[in-house]
Amino acid sequence: GQNIDQPTEMTATEGAIVQINCTYQTSGFNGLFWYQQHAGEAPTFLSYNVLDGLEEKGRFSSFLSRSKGYSYLLLKELQMKDSASYLCAVSGSNYQLIWGAGTKLIIKP
Amino acid sequence: GAGVSQSPSNKVTEKGKDVELRCDPISGHTALYWYRQSLGQGLEFLIYFQGNSAPDKSGLPSDRFSAERTGGSVSTLTIQRTQQEDSAVYLCASSPSTGGFQPQHFGDGTRLSIL
Repeated sequence: GQNIDQPTEMTATEGAIVQINCTYQTSGFNGLFWYQQHAGEAPTFLSYNVLDGLEEKGRFSSFLSRSKGYSYLLLKELQMKDSASYLCAVSGSNYQLIWGAGTKLIIKP
Repeated sequence: GAGVSQSPSNKVTEKGKDVELRCDPISGHTALYWYRQSLGQGLEFLIYFQGNSAPDKSGLPSDRFSAERTGGSVSTLTIQRTQQEDSAVYLCASSPSTGGFQPQHFGDGTRLSIL
């Protein structure tokens, strides 16, 4: 079957760095997306990886290893506004997204 | 419009009633998706429209759920004879097409509460 796994919840300190992991098993692979979702709001697109390696975008970076079925989202210089759920989604063989349950990130002062 | 628009933003109804949820995608986007999200849970795929192709209904949980997309633009999700387990946030997303780097853009959702 198809499966996306990510931790349910993580806690980090303002100003620190946090890494949110995502592992996947899917039939086909056409890229991996990370989305941010604040409570009560819609998900918003953060990053996309289709090739192995690190994609950096400001304070956020995303890494992909296709051979390991593994990705992580790295958030640097954490701010209180980064408190949100982070959703990992894989584009499978039919280009539809398979979604993880999300990781709730709690930032403490 | 500038983004995906969904209406109503909130809907409270009695068990057994029918409800219609509306989604107006970003202009020019050919792909449209409906998802359901229960409190604290991930996104559950419901149905997908791509251009004039037959929709992918594989995620619809029962025959009480149906959706249509008129003129390749606005979509309506209908839930008949609502049950309490239908209570959730229903999210609509659109993308320019499918394939490769095509992030989905989400509306703010409809929060459905069945009494």
